[in-house]
Amino acid sequence: GAGVSQSPSNKVTEKGKDVELRCDPISGHTALYWYRQSLGQGLEFLIYFQGNSAPDKSGLPSDRFSAERTGGSVSTLTIQRTQQEDSAVYLCASSSGGKGTEAFFGQGTRLTVV
Amino acid sequence: AQKITQTQPGMFVQEKEAVTLDCTYDTSDPSYGLFWYKQPSSGEMIFLIYQGSYDQQNATEGRYSLNFQKARKSANLVISASQLGDSAMYFCAMREGQKAAGNKLTFGGGTRVLVKP
Repeated sequence: GAGVSQSPSNKVTEKGKDVELRCDPISGHTALYWYRQSLGQGLEFLIYFQGNSAPDKSGLPSDRFSAERTGGSVSTLTIQRTQQEDSAVYLCASSSGGKGTEAFFGQGTRLTVV
Repeated sequence: AQKITQTQPGMFVQEKEAVTLDCTYDTSDPSYGLFWYKQPSSGEMIFLIYQGSYDQQNATEGRYSLNFQKARKSANLVISASQLGDSAMYFCAMREGQKAAGNKLTFGGGTRVLVKP
């Protein structure tokens, strides 16, 4: 596709269940980012992948959160044993690299933990 | 410490008037880039404008301009001739470092703008 694609667009899960969120970046983009946005708030950095380098995981809030990026393309964000405070919109973005290039965002996955 | 600070949580602006959104940043890296994004109620993030730390001139993109004051570490967004469609959240962001490939983008808390007819 032409843009960053995220799936699912909405996810409702029960507390304690695991969830997987998927991100398909723009083809050829070497950088991929995950952010979390709670209602009416700013973007909280979670994790950043750049090419074959080790990911920057400094934003992951707990060890229940993990992410991987296979083949330098698709990324999956996994939240284990979900809690109600995990409810938020999870945004994925990609960029072609270089400090001057903007990041292109997907539409996000709205996660609701009940 | 906050890397990006947006001190205005919300503001009203009259249609057709100009509005300035404040953004200050904190970095010791001499090479960095500053970005502004718009997020309307639909939730999508729309890139507006970019300013590099070594750029000699302030960036402009249509009705958007960036008032870059490097010594004050300030990168305010100016929207001229506001339109009703400008009502949205606006985020300032920074990317640090001289790596050929990009580094992570750090965002401010955002400013909500409501344009009044």
